Amino acid sequence: QVQLVQSGAEVKKPGASVKVSCKASGYTFTSYDINWVRQATGQGLEWMGWMNPNSGNTGYAQKFQGRVTMTRNTSISTAYMELSSLRSEDTAVYYCASGYWFDPWGQGTLVTVSS
Amino acid sequence: DIQMTQSPSSLSASVGDRVTITCRASQGIRNDLGWYQQKPGKAPKRLIYAASSLQSGVPSRFSGSGSGTEFTLTISSLQPEDFATYYCLQHNSYPGFGGGTKVEIK
Repeated sequence: QVQLVQSGAEVKKPGASVKVSCKASGYTFTSYDINWVRQATGQGLEWMGWMNPNSGNTGYAQKFQGRVTMTRNTSISTAYMELSSLRSEDTAVYYCASGYWFDPWGQGTLVTVSS
Repeated sequence: DIQMTQSPSSLSASVGDRVTITCRASQGIRNDLGWYQQKPGKAPKRLIYAASSLQSGVPSRFSGSGSGTEFTLTISSLQPEDFATYYCLQHNSYPGFGGGTKVEIK
């Protein structure tokens, strides 16, 4: 079936970077954009950016410009989201979601930023 | 950026009730709007896309309507499994979510 499987939970110190992976299966990876969304505990959904797996083109929310990088490895149908200069406010669950209408979603990756 | 104002932020309802959730866009977005359901500890699930198209497998008690700046998600007869948080998502420009509506048991 069509699914996205994300990498496991991460604990990082302030100032560090984190790289989350999102492996697609059940469809042609290069056919649909990958979006990244995050959700702090008890808060709403926040769109971070998108990547076209075919071209590698990206678009980032202004809030994350300069701190986020989205890449992919088409040979293993995997997308990556790297967030740098982490601060405590970046503690959240990070999701990938496929396609224009965000379906399916990965299971989420908890990133905890703590000294 | 297009802002999405979702209301109410929470509501209490009983099984069998009709529930309506609204999203208003700060500018016209045609029908570039989706609705998502999220249960605690789980990823969101798509219910509606293009404002009124029902995702395959989603019960027909869910419906979406609207165009331009005002959109609604209606649950015609609330079921126990529908207690969750609902989000709208606009995709006319860079995507953006509404603030969410938590549907709780009365």
